[in-house]
Amino acid sequence: AQSVAQPEDQVKVAEGNPLTVKCTYSVSGNPYLFWYVQYPNRGLQFLLKYITGDNLVKGSYGFEAEFNKSQTSFHLKKPSALVSDSALYFCAVSVYGNQGGKLIFGQGTELSVKP
Amino acid sequence: EAQVTQNPRYLITVTGKKLTVTCSQNMNHEYMSWYRQDPGLGLRQIYYSMNVEVTDKGDVPEGYKVSRKEKRNFPLILESPSPNQTSLYFCASSATSGRSYEQYFGPGTRLTVT
Repeated sequence: AQSVAQPEDQVKVAEGNPLTVKCTYSVSGNPYLFWYVQYPNRGLQFLLKYITGDNLVKGSYGFEAEFNKSQTSFHLKKPSALVSDSALYFCAVSVYGNQGGKLIFGQGTELSVKP
Repeated sequence: EAQVTQNPRYLITVTGKKLTVTCSQNMNHEYMSWYRQDPGLGLRQIYYSMNVEVTDKGDVPEGYKVSRKEKRNFPLILESPSPNQTSLYFCASSATSGRSYEQYFGPGTRLTVT
């Protein structure tokens, strides 16, 4: 069965420190991996994606993610966290195929950045 | 501005009273989808549509209906809502051509069924 796991419900970091939000996946075939962010009372916003190529993917707002095929992981990172990064982050996977853009989401990780 | 819109944003209703949540996108996307978001469960797909008049069940379709008569609109219908359908609902769309599969999400509809 296809699945995505975000092992941490909550991540707390101090402003200026690096942050990591973890994601692991289990799919058959080549995965297309995504990170989305949800701010309070807002819809999900696309951050970045991995389709193929370089394992380090750069996205919006200074975020990046590292694809690791052997560990089936796609962790989200940022070198220096901002208070405004505080939000709910979702990892998702879509398997390339006839169903188009079906996304399977992790349960979400709440990121809290303190001044 | 490219966007997905949903209406209403907030809805409180009673068990059994039929309701419709509208969704519209202005990006000429072929693919549209409905998700529900519940704490600790992330987002789960309810129904999706590959194009006009083409719809199919997602992972949690029970109690929901959809239609896709026009490319831009994809309404979600609850014919007899129940309290376990209290949730936050998101509509999303994406282009199915090429290798780009990021989805664009609406602002969400918070539904409470009493």
